[in-house]
Amino acid sequence: QVQLVESGGGVVQPGRSLRLSCVASGFTFDRYGMHWVRQAPGKGLEWVAVTIYDGSNEYYADSVRGRFTISRDNSKNTVDLQMNNVRVEDTAVYFCAKGVGHNYGNPLDHWGQGILVSVSS
Amino acid sequence: DVQMTQSPPTLSASVGDRVTITCRASESISKWLAWYQQKPGRAPKLLIQEASDLESGVPSRFSGSGSGTEFTLTISSLQPDDFATYYCQEYNSHSLTFGGGTKVDIK
Repeated sequence: QVQLVESGGGVVQPGRSLRLSCVASGFTFDRYGMHWVRQAPGKGLEWVAVTIYDGSNEYYADSVRGRFTISRDNSKNTVDLQMNNVRVEDTAVYFCAKGVGHNYGNPLDHWGQGILVSVSS
Repeated sequence: DVQMTQSPPTLSASVGDRVTITCRASESISKWLAWYQQKPGRAPKLLIQEASDLESGVPSRFSGSGSGTEFTLTISSLQPDDFATYYCQEYNSHSLTFGGGTKVDIK
């Protein structure tokens, strides 16, 4: 069965960096787009970024573009989110999610359990 | 970017009620709309894609309809397990956009 397991969350000060990682199993990883989605405490879902199946393209939400970088390693079945210059408003549970297809515009059919990132001084 | 507006934000209903949630897109997204269910402390679960295609294992009391800019999620007879928050999501563009969510709680 499909499993997505996030790691790397925690407390970080504003302006600092943090790297999230997601290990995938149970499907052919290099055939699918992979996404990060976040949810601030008590708020709705916000899509963050996508890397397409071969890692040749990625897209970002306006709120994180230029600060966050998504990357994938198809040899290790991992997708990472490098978060630089974090802000208080980046505080959220971050979910790793698998797209239905190989490209960017797809629904998300499997999700990790989520990992909390708290930005605070 | 496409904006997605869900209504109502909250909905109080009883077991057995027919429930309808609406999602409006700021521009046409054809049929490229998904619906998710999320329970507290859990990851979202995909219910419907392409506006009306039910995911395998999702009860048939759930249905979706619409195209272009207006979409609906209907639960024909609300069950205790259905009290949750529901989100629409467009995937017509590079950047996926979620609606603000509709919390369905017990009347």
